[in-house]
Amino acid sequence: KQEVTQIPAALSVPEGENLVLNCSFTDSAIYNLQWFRQDPGKGLTSLLLIQSSQREQTSGRLNASLDKSSGRSTLYIAASQPGDSATYLCAVRDGNKLVFGAGTILRVKS
Amino acid sequence: DAGVTQSPTHLIKTRGQQVTLRCSPKSGHDTVSWYQQALGQGPQFIFQYYEEEERQRGNFPDRFSGHQFPNYSSELNVNALLLGDSALYLCASSYRDSYGYTFGSGTRLTVV
Repeated sequence: KQEVTQIPAALSVPEGENLVLNCSFTDSAIYNLQWFRQDPGKGLTSLLLIQSSQREQTSGRLNASLDKSSGRSTLYIAASQPGDSATYLCAVRDGNKLVFGAGTILRVKS
Repeated sequence: DAGVTQSPTHLIKTRGQQVTLRCSPKSGHDTVSWYQQALGQGPQFIFQYYEEEERQRGNFPDRFSGHQFPNYSSELNVNALLLGDSALYLCASSYRDSYGYTFGSGTRLTVV
């Protein structure tokens, strides 16, 4: 059974810091991995999608890496801003479903 | 280009009642999945519909059922509501197997 863990559960940083969010999964036989952002009470916004054959994806200040063999992914956020405050969710594609971690709650202080 | 549309945005139901939630997928998408997200947790997979049939189901009781229409839109039905069914219900759409999922804004269901 695929299980996804995200560390840390919560993170509070001053504006301008670079930060790393971690995601680990138990079964390396994944189709792809997707990082999402969720604002309080809202739906999910896709940030980055990494196919199983890829090592990383970049979008603006965001960079996500994937190491299937070790069952790990990281989301790197450069020069954090207060607008980045949200919950960040990692999900792996397992068959026809996504298996999610519980998320990392990020607060960027101005 | 419209994304995934869900309705209603909020609703309150009484224990034992039945509820229907609706989802219109993103234009060009043919697959619809439903997820339940309890407060403080990650979304949990309920089921996925493709070509008007349930293709895969998560660990949810038969009280949860669904339907997909020829235009790819979908409904989630929950019968005999329990207090524990209170959650954010998310609909996600996708196209075939090569791309990621696009999520809607969700329906907040409160059972009292």
